Amino acid sequence: RKEVEQDPGPFNVPEGATVAFNCTYSNSASQSFFWYRQDCRKEPKLLMSVYSSGNEDGRFTAQLNRASQYISLLIRDSKLSDSATYLCVVTLSGSARQLTFGSGTQLTVLP
Amino acid sequence: DAGVTQSPTHLIKTRGQQVTLRCSPKSGHDTVSWYQQALGQGPQFIFQYYEEEERQRGNFPDRFSGHQFPNYSSELNVNALLLGDSALYLCASSAGPSSYNEQFFGPGTRLTVL
Repeated sequence: RKEVEQDPGPFNVPEGATVAFNCTYSNSASQSFFWYRQDCRKEPKLLMSVYSSGNEDGRFTAQLNRASQYISLLIRDSKLSDSATYLCVVTLSGSARQLTFGSGTQLTVLP
Repeated sequence: DAGVTQSPTHLIKTRGQQVTLRCSPKSGHDTVSWYQQALGQGPQFIFQYYEEEERQRGNFPDRFSGHQFPNYSSELNVNALLLGDSALYLCASSAGPSSYNEQFFGPGTRLTVL
């Protein structure tokens, strides 16, 4: 079983739609949680950290459920510029220095 | 303020050869991590360097080695290249080794092994 698993995608949605990505992690002692965004043939960039209480940044909302070992990202009012691959990332207990990535979910927002 | 830089951008090698990739961290950063990203996959952690020492290593063979210099720049060396080593190699820098310090990624070096 992979340490971090994501929806396989791809997701193709119209502009203005709301889209949700899910992610599960296998190590219950995982410490930190993030969503990264990676544009085609570019480097990953931090989109937002994910906190137990849930957090919001503009149109983006991230939630963490430690009991279910589940992370989500909600994007409201999708823009064409949101088209990218979204990577779920955790740090594992005992390996706090390394980021463990999911395989990513590709999002295409259509005009 | 220059971000993370990597060289070369692209590289083509043949099986059995050796390769050296280079990374300069973002200004003010002292920690460098290396990741391998195969096509269609998320990046996989190779190792992290802090204070010129390898501090943590992922599940990669000894063919993968590295170095950090006093100016915090870093090199990744891969010996005896295999076809499966073809990937995008990403360097990330941070201000300190903790996962709480945001890692900034460079544009990567795309390695093709023929």
